[in-house]
Amino acid sequence: NAGVTQTPKFRILKIGQSMTLQCTQDMNHNYMYWYRQDPGMGLKLIYYSVGAGITDKGEVPNGYNVSRSTTEDFPLRLELAAPSQTSVYFCASSLTGTRSSYEQYFGPGTRLTVT
Amino acid sequence: GENVEQHPSTLSVQEGDSAVIKCTYSDSASNYFPWYKQELGKRPQLIIDIRSNVGEKKDQRIAVTLNKTAKHFSLHITETQPEDSAVYFCAASKGMNTGFQKLVFGTGTRLLVSP
Repeated sequence: NAGVTQTPKFRILKIGQSMTLQCTQDMNHNYMYWYRQDPGMGLKLIYYSVGAGITDKGEVPNGYNVSRSTTEDFPLRLELAAPSQTSVYFCASSLTGTRSSYEQYFGPGTRLTVT
Repeated sequence: GENVEQHPSTLSVQEGDSAVIKCTYSDSASNYFPWYKQELGKRPQLIIDIRSNVGEKKDQRIAVTLNKTAKHFSLHITETQPEDSAVYFCAASKGMNTGFQKLVFGTGTRLLVSP
């Protein structure tokens, strides 16, 4: 299993541009999450999904959008990029089931700079 | 909403010493408390977690304690080694008893273990 994969690894955007960060997991996890990590800070939840076709906002959703058309993929869309969106973005997934581990498996991250 | 505070922000120890990192949370309904380790430039990885029906959990040199009354939990690392050097994040959530957890993270503790 590749686990959770993210593309691209790095990206520089100009203010006002748009882009999509890709996230794919091959572990058949129902739950998926997007976090951002600012320098010296913890991770903050942007959006999450409990299954294909179901998404909801986390702590910091403004300026982002998501979709979940399949179990495997959970892309994050940035519209009209702003310098405040400069961050490292992590995608994560977790298992369902009351006896399963609650562990969230993270992807390698996408480092985004908006100038 | 939930707020998680983490101290200290930086911790330097000598190899073989113990290290303790403390977190407090605000929402008494929180019932799941994981600790993640993040090495420089890498993704966060779960090292240990505890659920609210347990007061302490150990895994080799790592232990976590939970005081629900005081709303704080701590990570204890004994016999530290240079490879323990990393940033450690605590988190809290009040998810249902499933793999879906909306984690609120602390701001991280940078642990440096000197040989």
